[in-house]
Amino acid sequence: EVQLAESGGGLVQPGGSLRLSCAASGFTFSDYWMSWVRQAPGKGLEWVANIKQDGSVKYYVDSVKGRFSISRDNAKNSLYLQMSNLRVEDTAVYYCARRDCSSTNCWFDPWGQGTLVTVSS
Amino acid sequence: QTMVTQEPSLSVSPGGTITFTCGLRSGSLSSNYYTSWYQQTPGQAPRTLIYSTNTRSSGVPDRFSGSILGNKAALTITGAQADDESDYYCALYLGGGIEVFGGGTKLTVL
Repeated sequence: EVQLAESGGGLVQPGGSLRLSCAASGFTFSDYWMSWVRQAPGKGLEWVANIKQDGSVKYYVDSVKGRFSISRDNAKNSLYLQMSNLRVEDTAVYYCARRDCSSTNCWFDPWGQGTLVTVSS
Repeated sequence: QTMVTQEPSLSVSPGGTITFTCGLRSGSLSSNYYTSWYQQTPGQAPRTLIYSTNTRSSGVPDRFSGSILGNKAALTITGAQADDESDYYCALYLGGGIEVFGGGTKLTVL
């Protein structure tokens, strides 16, 4: 069974840093792009970042560029999101998702259960 | 910035049929864009329903279907059930590694 399990969320002050982790199991992690998607309280889903299988290519939503960094360790079947200079508006549940791709398009499947990040003083 | 539109809310009677749409504020969502659909009940992680516009994800019942209707992508539930009451999100792959979600539709089954 494919499983994704996030950890590392918590309460952090504005301007602070936090590192999220996602442990993957049940599939060949190194074969897939991976993604982070977040959801602010009471709001919709927002794509945050993607990373290629070997970590060589990364994409970010504009609002986190220069502050967040996505990475992976294929030997540990793990995905990470290093978040720095956090803002109140970064408060959200952060989901790890496997990014499936065909030759022409991509989608998210499956999803982890999420980890809550709260940025507040 | 690409804006993806969805109905804020919809309602359906048990056993009825309901169609959600997903469009582009700036124009037509043609075959150039592939749409995926996700279901999310409160407090739960999203669940993938449809990808590549019309392909059901593993384990998704065939009463969920995806299509293109005019200049929008569509998700149709045929024979709605009480546990279909959820939020539904569409997402577009814009190419170049970039994705965008619609604002979501809250479905009430009553």
